Amino acid sequence: GAGVSQSPSNKVTEKGKDVELRCDPISGHTALYWYRQSLGQGLEFLIYFQGNSAPDKSGLPSDRFSAERTGGSVSTLTIQRTQQEDSAVYLCASSPHYRDDEQFFGPGTRLTVL
Amino acid sequence: ELKVEQNPLFLSMQEGKNYTIYCNYSTTSDRLYWYRQDPGKSLESLFVLLSNGAVKQEGRLMASLDTKARLSTLHITAAVHDLSATYFCAVDRGGGATNKLIFGTGTLLAVQP
Repeated sequence: GAGVSQSPSNKVTEKGKDVELRCDPISGHTALYWYRQSLGQGLEFLIYFQGNSAPDKSGLPSDRFSAERTGGSVSTLTIQRTQQEDSAVYLCASSPHYRDDEQFFGPGTRLTVL
Repeated sequence: ELKVEQNPLFLSMQEGKNYTIYCNYSTTSDRLYWYRQDPGKSLESLFVLLSNGAVKQEGRLMASLDTKARLSTLHITAAVHDLSATYFCAVDRGGGATNKLIFGTGTLLAVQP
């Protein structure tokens, strides 16, 4: 079956511009996660959505970052006024409802801020 | 704050040899995950360890979890070139309702012929 998909696969933007990254989780998965992977910081948790519950935003690095999940499926991660330190690979993952379930990762979006 | 450390960070080994990657974490958790990442690719789930003493094996890889020692190991038996990749362990933060994973630094494994 189809896995987690993300778009775009690559995004190059200028400092100060806003970007939107999209994630389509595996059908039927109620939990959705965003992580980012950078050379300096490794893999970091950003935000978590579970069903209709309030998202866990504890990993968002600044108020320039926001995410939403519409209809319990597709999620969009928005970065406003991008900075060079935002350059990273942004990974989305989904899992079935239960807390112990493994997370299935998408291919990622490589963001480069010039 | 939960911290996850892996060692070694880099491992070069010959085909046919055995080796172990270690994952230590700083606070109580009884859920640990191992992932593999090939260059330019995303993360592939290898093992999910959900209790103290859990041991799982798949092919030449075997993972174990000791929650009392806060230690997980990934043992490689008779390595082959196809196992070359970066391996990450990740620990559930524990408590609450979020399966928020804290990742280790990763171990880059290079298997030489």
